[in-house]
Amino acid sequence: EAQVTQNPRYLITVTGKKLTVTCSQNMNHEYMSWYRQDPGLGLRQIYYSMNVEVTDKGDVPEGYKVSRKEKRNFPLILESPSPNQTSLYFCASSLTGGTGTDTQYFGPGTRLTVL
Amino acid sequence: QKEVEQNSGPLSVPEGAIASLNCTYSDRGSQSFFWYRQYSGKSPELIMFIYSNGDKEDGRFTAQLNKASQYVSLLIRDSQPSDSATYLCAVNPQAGTALIFGKGTTLSVSS
Repeated sequence: EAQVTQNPRYLITVTGKKLTVTCSQNMNHEYMSWYRQDPGLGLRQIYYSMNVEVTDKGDVPEGYKVSRKEKRNFPLILESPSPNQTSLYFCASSLTGGTGTDTQYFGPGTRLTVL
Repeated sequence: QKEVEQNSGPLSVPEGAIASLNCTYSDRGSQSFFWYRQYSGKSPELIMFIYSNGDKEDGRFTAQLNKASQYVSLLIRDSQPSDSATYLCAVNPQAGTALIFGKGTTLSVSS
Protein backbone atom coordinates (compact mmCIF):
# COMPACT_ATOMS: atom_id res chain seq x y z
CA GLU A 1 0.00 0.00 0.00
CA ALA A 2 1.31 3.42 -1.00
CA GLN A 3 1.70 5.51 2.11
CA VAL A 4 3.56 8.09 4.14
CA THR A 5 4.26 7.08 7.71
CA GLN A 6 5.22 9.26 10.63
CA ASN A 7 6.44 8.37 14.07
CA PRO A 8 5.60 9.03 16.76
CA ARG A 9 1.95 9.96 16.31
CA TYR A 10 1.79 11.67 19.68
CA LEU A 11 4.62 13.13 21.73
CA ILE A 12 4.76 15.11 24.93
CA THR A 13 8.18 16.45 25.82
CA VAL A 14 9.86 19.20 27.79
CA THR A 15 11.61 22.35 26.69
CA GLY A 16 15.13 21.79 25.42
CA LYS A 17 15.03 18.03 25.02
CA LYS A 18 16.08 17.17 21.48
CA LEU A 19 13.62 15.11 19.48
CA THR A 20 13.23 13.63 16.03
CA VAL A 21 10.03 12.91 14.17
CA THR A 22 10.54 10.36 11.46
CA CYS A 23 8.85 10.35 8.07
CA SER A 24 9.06 7.62 5.48
CA GLN A 25 7.37 7.07 2.12
CA ASN A 26 7.26 3.93 -0.01
CA MET A 27 6.34 5.51 -3.33
CA ASN A 28 9.82 6.44 -4.55
CA HIS A 29 8.83 10.10 -4.47
CA GLU A 30 11.48 12.72 -5.05
CA TYR A 31 9.71 15.53 -3.20
CA MET A 32 9.11 15.49 0.54
CA SER A 33 7.95 18.21 2.84
CA TRP A 34 7.15 19.05 6.46
CA TYR A 35 4.24 21.22 7.58
CA ARG A 36 2.91 22.42 10.86
CA GLN A 37 -0.76 23.20 11.40
CA ASP A 38 -1.99 25.57 14.07
CA PRO A 39 -5.53 26.87 14.76
CA GLY A 40 -6.12 30.10 12.93
CA LEU A 41 -2.82 29.92 11.09
CA GLY A 42 -3.48 27.04 8.75
CA LEU A 43 -0.91 24.74 7.23
CA ARG A 44 2.56 26.22 6.99
CA GLN A 45 5.55 24.66 5.32
CA ILE A 46 8.67 24.18 7.44
CA TYR A 47 11.14 22.56 5.04
CA TYR A 48 10.99 20.70 1.79
CA SER A 49 13.32 18.50 -0.21
CA MET A 50 13.46 18.04 -3.93
CA ASN A 51 15.70 14.99 -3.73
CA VAL A 52 18.42 13.31 -1.72
CA GLU A 53 20.77 15.85 -0.13
CA VAL A 54 18.65 18.74 -1.48
CA THR A 55 16.63 20.65 1.11
CA ASP A 56 15.20 24.14 1.27
CA LYS A 57 13.44 26.34 3.77
CA GLY A 58 9.70 26.84 3.73
CA ASP A 59 7.81 29.59 5.50
CA VAL A 60 8.66 28.76 9.11
CA PRO A 61 12.05 26.97 9.32
CA GLU A 62 13.33 28.56 12.55
CA GLY A 63 13.99 26.01 15.27
CA TYR A 64 13.86 23.02 12.94
CA LYS A 65 16.37 20.93 11.02
CA VAL A 66 15.89 18.29 8.37
CA SER A 67 18.04 15.86 6.46
CA ARG A 68 17.51 13.77 3.34
CA LYS A 69 20.16 11.08 3.25
CA GLU A 70 17.87 8.53 1.65
CA LYS A 71 15.07 9.05 -0.81
CA ARG A 72 12.41 7.44 1.35
CA ASN A 73 13.19 9.19 4.66
CA PHE A 74 12.89 12.82 5.69
CA PRO A 75 13.24 13.25 9.46
CA LEU A 76 12.34 16.47 11.25
CA ILE A 77 14.67 17.42 14.08
CA LEU A 78 13.95 19.82 16.90
CA GLU A 79 17.32 20.45 18.55
CA SER A 80 15.93 22.44 21.47
CA PRO A 81 12.12 22.38 21.43
CA SER A 82 10.19 25.27 22.89
CA PRO A 83 6.50 25.58 23.82
CA ASN A 84 5.77 27.61 20.68
CA GLN A 85 6.59 24.49 18.65
CA THR A 86 3.58 22.72 20.13
CA SER A 87 1.60 21.88 17.02
CA LEU A 88 0.27 19.24 14.67
CA TYR A 89 2.95 18.21 12.19
CA PHE A 90 2.43 16.62 8.80
CA CYS A 91 4.92 15.06 6.47
CA ALA A 92 4.03 14.89 2.80
CA SER A 93 5.52 13.54 -0.39
CA SER A 94 4.90 13.78 -4.11
CA LEU A 95 6.54 12.50 -7.22
CA THR A 96 8.02 15.75 -8.50
CA GLY A 97 6.88 18.59 -6.25
CA GLY A 98 3.45 19.82 -7.21
CA THR A 99 3.15 20.02 -10.96
CA GLY A 100 -0.32 19.90 -12.42
CA THR A 101 -0.66 16.15 -12.39
CA ASP A 102 1.25 15.52 -9.21
CA THR A 103 -0.52 14.46 -6.04
CA GLN A 104 0.90 15.29 -2.64
CA TYR A 105 0.29 12.51 -0.11
CA PHE A 106 0.18 13.40 3.56
CA GLY A 107 1.19 11.31 6.52
CA PRO A 108 -1.23 10.79 9.43
CA GLY A 109 0.24 13.61 11.50
CA THR A 110 2.24 13.93 14.72
CA ARG A 111 0.75 15.85 17.59
CA LEU A 112 3.60 17.41 19.56
CA THR A 113 3.27 19.09 22.93
CA VAL A 114 6.27 20.88 24.41
CA LEU A 115 5.91 21.72 28.10
CA GLN B 1 4.91 37.52 0.32
CA LYS B 2 2.89 35.01 -1.64
CA GLU B 3 -0.55 34.57 -0.10
CA VAL B 4 -3.60 32.41 -0.51
CA GLU B 5 -6.82 33.72 0.99
CA GLN B 6 -9.96 31.82 1.93
CA ASN B 7 -12.98 32.71 4.00
CA SER B 8 -12.69 30.74 7.21
CA GLY B 9 -16.42 30.09 7.44
CA PRO B 10 -18.14 28.19 8.70
CA LEU B 11 -20.13 27.81 5.52
CA SER B 12 -23.40 26.08 6.29
CA VAL B 13 -25.53 24.47 3.58
CA PRO B 14 -28.44 22.04 3.73
CA GLU B 15 -28.09 18.52 2.40
CA GLY B 16 -28.55 18.41 -1.37
CA ALA B 17 -27.54 22.04 -1.93
CA ILE B 18 -24.53 23.37 -3.81
CA ALA B 19 -21.61 24.47 -1.66
CA SER B 20 -19.34 27.11 -3.15
CA LEU B 21 -15.85 27.57 -1.74
CA ASN B 22 -13.63 30.40 -2.88
CA CYS B 23 -9.94 31.16 -2.89
CA THR B 24 -7.81 34.05 -4.13
CA TYR B 25 -4.06 34.10 -4.54
CA SER B 26 -1.52 36.88 -4.81
CA ASP B 27 1.18 35.46 -7.12
CA ARG B 28 0.03 36.10 -10.67
CA GLY B 29 2.59 33.63 -12.02
CA SER B 30 1.17 30.68 -10.07
CA GLN B 31 0.83 27.57 -12.15
CA SER B 32 -1.02 24.83 -10.27
CA PHE B 33 -3.96 24.93 -7.92
CA PHE B 34 -5.20 22.28 -5.57
CA TRP B 35 -8.17 21.61 -3.33
CA TYR B 36 -7.69 19.42 -0.29
CA ARG B 37 -10.29 18.17 2.17
CA GLN B 38 -9.38 17.72 5.81
CA TYR B 39 -11.58 16.05 8.38
CA SER B 40 -11.05 17.06 11.97
CA GLY B 41 -7.89 15.47 13.39
CA LYS B 42 -7.00 13.85 10.06
CA SER B 43 -4.50 14.64 7.35
CA PRO B 44 -5.42 16.58 4.21
CA GLU B 45 -6.43 14.56 1.18
CA LEU B 46 -6.39 15.82 -2.39
CA ILE B 47 -9.77 16.32 -4.02
CA MET B 48 -8.83 18.04 -7.25
CA PHE B 49 -6.15 19.98 -9.03
CA ILE B 50 -6.53 22.44 -11.88
CA TYR B 51 -4.01 24.38 -13.92
CA SER B 52 -5.94 25.69 -16.93
CA ASN B 53 -8.50 28.46 -16.97
CA GLY B 54 -12.06 27.23 -16.92
CA ASP B 55 -13.88 24.40 -15.21
CA LYS B 56 -12.80 20.91 -14.30
CA GLU B 57 -15.38 18.41 -13.14
CA ASP B 58 -14.93 15.23 -11.14
CA GLY B 59 -18.13 13.62 -9.93
CA ARG B 60 -19.92 16.03 -7.61
CA PHE B 61 -16.93 18.37 -7.51
CA THR B 62 -16.13 21.17 -9.95
CA ALA B 63 -13.03 23.31 -9.72
CA GLN B 64 -13.04 26.67 -11.47
CA LEU B 65 -9.96 28.73 -12.29
CA ASN B 66 -9.75 32.33 -13.45
CA LYS B 67 -6.11 33.36 -13.68
CA ALA B 68 -6.91 36.91 -14.77
CA SER B 69 -8.85 37.45 -11.55
CA GLN B 70 -6.46 35.24 -9.55
CA TYR B 71 -9.40 33.28 -8.31
CA VAL B 72 -10.07 29.58 -7.89
CA SER B 73 -13.23 27.99 -6.55
CA LEU B 74 -14.64 24.60 -5.67
CA LEU B 75 -18.29 23.72 -6.16
CA ILE B 76 -19.77 20.70 -4.42
CA ARG B 77 -23.08 19.62 -5.89
CA ASP B 78 -25.65 17.58 -3.96
CA SER B 79 -23.79 18.25 -0.70
CA GLN B 80 -23.83 15.43 1.82
CA PRO B 81 -23.24 15.49 5.59
CA SER B 82 -20.07 13.48 4.87
CA ASP B 83 -18.76 16.54 2.99
CA SER B 84 -18.58 18.41 6.28
CA ALA B 85 -14.88 19.18 6.65
CA THR B 86 -12.32 21.92 6.20
CA TYR B 87 -11.37 22.61 2.60
CA LEU B 88 -7.87 23.85 1.91
CA CYS B 89 -6.90 25.74 -1.20
CA ALA B 90 -3.24 25.35 -2.19
CA VAL B 91 -1.21 27.10 -4.83
CA ASN B 92 2.06 26.11 -6.40
CA PRO B 93 3.76 29.28 -7.66
CA GLN B 94 6.26 27.23 -9.62
CA ALA B 95 6.81 23.51 -10.03
CA GLY B 96 9.18 22.22 -7.40
CA THR B 97 8.77 25.13 -5.04
CA ALA B 98 6.92 25.32 -1.77
CA LEU B 99 3.19 24.72 -1.90
CA ILE B 100 1.29 27.58 -0.28
CA PHE B 101 -1.90 26.76 1.58
CA GLY B 102 -4.82 28.94 2.52
CA LYS B 103 -6.12 28.69 6.07
CA GLY B 104 -9.10 26.69 4.96
CA THR B 105 -12.89 27.05 4.88
CA THR B 106 -14.98 24.95 7.21
CA LEU B 107 -18.05 23.48 5.53
CA SER B 108 -20.98 22.16 7.49
CA VAL B 109 -23.72 20.22 5.67
CA SER B 110 -26.87 19.70 7.68
CA SER B 111 -29.24 16.81 7.08
